[in-house]
Amino acid sequence: NAGVTQTPKFRVLKTGQSMTLLCAQDMNHEYMYWYRQDPGMGLRLIHYSVGEGTTAKGEVPDGYNVSRLKKQNFLLGLESAAPSQTSVYFCASSYDWGEAFFGQGTRLTVV
Amino acid sequence: GIQVEQSPPDLILQEGANSTLRCNFSDSVNNLQWFHQNPWGQLINLFYIPSGTKQNGRLSATTVATERYSLLYISSSQTTDSGVYFCAVFSNAGGTSYGKLTFGQGTILTVHP
Repeated sequence: NAGVTQTPKFRVLKTGQSMTLLCAQDMNHEYMYWYRQDPGMGLRLIHYSVGEGTTAKGEVPDGYNVSRLKKQNFLLGLESAAPSQTSVYFCASSYDWGEAFFGQGTRLTVV
Repeated sequence: GIQVEQSPPDLILQEGANSTLRCNFSDSVNNLQWFHQNPWGQLINLFYIPSGTKQNGRLSATTVATERYSLLYISSSQTTDSGVYFCAVFSNAGGTSYGKLTFGQGTILTVHP
């Protein structure tokens, strides 16, 4: 039972490049979330999903897109990376308002 | 949307001391969780506590939902307790279509030997 798995764990991008972060969960959870954490700050919600095919914007959605084509996967896309998107990205999942579980994080650097 | 405020922002303790961390929230919530982020950045689930009191070893938590706050107690602190403690609440306050999990800014705890 892997829980929540994020891929990749580390990535360095050049400004303007695109990439997709993958979050996979094996707990059959409805809710999935993407957060970013910047130094000295808490976790800020980027986008989230309440079920397959349904997504919603969080606090800081600009510059990101998401897709939830399968219940177990939640993808976060950066179409044109900017240095301001350098951050640690966390994915989480939960059953409605039940206990949320987090992945190990993805450290992204945009140069 | 809902506001989540944690206090104190920073806390420095000697090993063996006790501490209380507080989380205030601005509206009704469906659940509340406490997390510990260790020095390697990993988020560890401590408590899922929408209301009432729970204990796990040296840690305990109390949530009084009607008064919109939660407390995390750490007794006989150890250096391994160091890190950031986050409170997060699930709410659809503010008229959002779906509920979501919102974090406070965290309390940075440093325990010296």
